[in-house]
Amino acid sequence: DSGVTQTPKHLITATGQRVTLRCSPRSGDLSVYWYQQSLDQGLQFLIQYYNGEERAKGNILERFSAQQFPDLHSELNLSSLELGDSALYFCASSVVSSTDTQYFGPGTRLTVL
Amino acid sequence: AQSVTQLDSQVPVFEEAPVELRCNYSSSVSVYLFWYVQYPNQGLQLLLKYLSGSTLVKGINGFEAEFNKSQTSFHLRKPSVHISDTAEYFCAVSGKGSARQLTFGSGTQLTVLP
Repeated sequence: DSGVTQTPKHLITATGQRVTLRCSPRSGDLSVYWYQQSLDQGLQFLIQYYNGEERAKGNILERFSAQQFPDLHSELNLSSLELGDSALYFCASSVVSSTDTQYFGPGTRLTVL
Repeated sequence: AQSVTQLDSQVPVFEEAPVELRCNYSSSVSVYLFWYVQYPNQGLQLLLKYLSGSTLVKGINGFEAEFNKSQTSFHLRKPSVHISDTAEYFCAVSGKGSARQLTFGSGTQLTVLP
């Protein structure tokens, strides 16, 4: 158990819908990262937040957005869902320094029908 | 920009045999290097990381990796594998700036056969 929690574990929805994935980082960790794992694209970095502020952006679609709240939990919002958005979405957290390990949550499996 | 190439998508090996999973990276700046393992239906767990210093890094579960700057490689090794080592292994790099995002390779499925 990494200490990072993600809800829900599984999500099945239809094309065109909007979903919200939630992540609670390890106690004391200020940075949250979101990654997408799919069969065709592999593991890709989406976005990073540090203490409530966006720190870095990767291959995140405009239909996707994220935020980190004052209690440091984070939410990833996916809208106008397409079949190709079906994937495993991971959240990871780290403390703050340059050498910190990223600890991964168990992931949310999103299926778009 | 960084990229990571894992040269073998699947590696079958018999129990108690040695194994090497290969990883090469490309980057215009200095990087940190990582190996993560993913067991079925689970998240990623850090096996080991290279930040600086000794090029031979020891990790959990008896794994080790060697950083070779001239070859831009970071191969993972274990002298004797167990059935429980069956999993997917990911090599990753991150920059040393303020953004710490990981760039992953495509993964190597290690299957340990009895």
